[in-house]
Amino acid sequence: NAGVTQTPKFRVLKTGQSMTLLCAQDMNHEYMYWYRQDPGMGLRLIHYSVGEGTTAKGEVPDGYNVSRLKKQNFLLGLESAAPSQTSVYFCASKIAGGSYEQYFGPGTRLTVT
Amino acid sequence: GEDVEQSLFLSVREGDSSVINCTYTDSSSTYLYWYKQEPGAGLQLLTYIFSNMDMKQDQRLTVLLNKKDKHLSLRIADTQTGDSAIYFCAEILSGGYQKVTFGTGTKLQVIP
Repeated sequence: NAGVTQTPKFRVLKTGQSMTLLCAQDMNHEYMYWYRQDPGMGLRLIHYSVGEGTTAKGEVPDGYNVSRLKKQNFLLGLESAAPSQTSVYFCASKIAGGSYEQYFGPGTRLTVT
Repeated sequence: GEDVEQSLFLSVREGDSSVINCTYTDSSSTYLYWYKQEPGAGLQLLTYIFSNMDMKQDQRLTVLLNKKDKHLSLRIADTQTGDSAIYFCAEILSGGYQKVTFGTGTKLQVIP
């Protein structure tokens, strides 16, 4: 089991460029999440998905889009990157239900210049 | 609304106990969690407590929950240098099993 993997690990973008972050999990989890982590602000939820073909907005969805075409993959897209999107992005997955823990990927460090 | 707050930084000497505190605002929380993030890594679950419990102990970890004051704490006994990390508390609300709300994180520094 690889668990939750994220690609790429690091990326530098210029303002206005686009990119897609890929999250993959091999645990057959129903729920998947994208967070961003900024100093002093903890983790903020960008978008999440409760199953294949479904997505929902989190706390800070503006400037991002997501897709869940396959159960094991959750893609996060930035159509026109801005310096405010410089952050560390974490993907997580979880079994449906209350007590189950979220499993996190190792993160992607994105810098937008 | 959902708001989970923690102090940003805690420094302790090796061998002492550490107490990391968290306050939350939504009384409908069902599960409360403590996650640990080591440098350059994702978060890993340390422990969790169901909202109808007051205390949970797991080896060196003790979780205390005061529902009246909406206060959660994590006590680490005999703190070691390997405990240096950022600790996040988090909550799941009743009826909202999909979303977990995280606190701002407390950076624990253990001084040898």
